[in-house]
Amino acid sequence: IAGITQAPTSQILAAGRRMTLRCTQDMRHNAMYWYRQDLGLGLRLIHYSNTAGTTGKGEVPDGYSVSRANTDDFPLTLASAVPSQTSVYFCASSGMTGASYNEQFFGPGTRLTVL
Amino acid sequence: SQQGEEDPQALSIQEGENATMNCSYKTSINNLQWYRQNSGRGLVHLILIRSNEREKHSGRLRVTLDTSKKSSSLLITASRAADTASYFCATVTAGGTSYGKLTFGQGTILTVHP
Repeated sequence: IAGITQAPTSQILAAGRRMTLRCTQDMRHNAMYWYRQDLGLGLRLIHYSNTAGTTGKGEVPDGYSVSRANTDDFPLTLASAVPSQTSVYFCASSGMTGASYNEQFFGPGTRLTVL
Repeated sequence: SQQGEEDPQALSIQEGENATMNCSYKTSINNLQWYRQNSGRGLVHLILIRSNEREKHSGRLRVTLDTSKKSSSLLITASRAADTASYFCATVTAGGTSYGKLTFGQGTILTVHP
């Protein structure tokens, strides 16, 4: 693994189904993030994690949950998918330099379609 | 809500010309970052400028930051067709529990014609 990976690349899902998007990084970054990108709305933060064992809500958290059992993995779960969750999902990670936040590294994205 | 707002929304230029994109934001920041996204791909980090910095360079890229006006600009000099992409500014809010969370602008679509 080099950097940050996501799986699956794309998925078509029936409404009401449960789905977990996977994200793994090998840079030992403390912080990880999930964004969704929609045309006309840009990228919006869903959930984030400061460090393993902690998570927080972003701008659009409803309908999504995350966990951070270890440093490397940050899965995003849709408990019961709805069509409005059709989007492209990006995972990202970042480290810190002292008390300052560094740039974020993004995964290639997961294109999710909920029918 | 979007912290950063970019201007223009779309920019079309000829190869060799310079491209300037502007970004305005609303709250105090820890840093401001610029990203590039090619169509259908993930975002790639270009430059990070911290709140105590005024200008940074990276190759053909120049970023300025004016915290008094809450604005930043990205200049791409001697543009190439390969620079065609969407460019986003993103801010990290200062202090508190925001911990590195990026708030993105809507982006500028840059098209460079050969």
